[in-house]
Amino acid sequence: KAGVTQTPRYLIKTRGQQVTLSCSPISGHRSVSWYQQTPGQGLQFLFEYFSETQRNKGNFPGRFSGRQFSNSRSEMNVSTLELGDSALYLCAGRIDRGYGYTFGSGTRLTVV
Amino acid sequence: GQQLNQSPQSMFIQEGEDVSMNCTSSSIFNTWLWYKQDPGEGPVLLIALYKAGELTSNGRLTAQFGITRKDSFLNISASIPSDVGIYFCAGQGPDKLIFGTGTRLQVFP
Repeated sequence: KAGVTQTPRYLIKTRGQQVTLSCSPISGHRSVSWYQQTPGQGLQFLFEYFSETQRNKGNFPGRFSGRQFSNSRSEMNVSTLELGDSALYLCAGRIDRGYGYTFGSGTRLTVV
Repeated sequence: GQQLNQSPQSMFIQEGEDVSMNCTSSSIFNTWLWYKQDPGEGPVLLIALYKAGELTSNGRLTAQFGITRKDSFLNISASIPSDVGIYFCAGQGPDKLIFGTGTRLQVFP
């Protein structure tokens, strides 16, 4: 059974640009969450989507946004990139509440 | 952002030794999870704990959920080279995970 697919794996962007990351969960997993991982702050929750609706949101500025499509695939967008946005962005899928999460391998974003 | 306190921060051990790491929180969680992350990969679930006081094993791994629901520990027995990685605890909140600060484990032959 295919795992969680995140694309691209690596990305280099310039300050001020915007970026879109993609996540396809395991078939049947209707919930997708996003996490940011940095050496300084560790793993921090960004948001969770379920059935195309944002169900929870972490403490990140409005430059970070996301959406989920009817096939459960999710995208995350960061606008006006800052150097501090350099991080590994991980997505995790699950069937629904009460079920475990399966993480993807992440997208490594570098902002220069 | 919110993080759970995990210790030790790093460990350097010899192959065959046992390892213990723990995690504490100021908040109560009803579910505690332990993950392992290899370089360039996402976290992989090792053990899930659902009940206060619960002791659960998965092969050479044993984890316990504290009675107060504010702490947990993970033991790895007879470590092997492939145990190298970063270990994270996580408390499951409503629709999100709160992760610990991580324990980096190095195993020397």
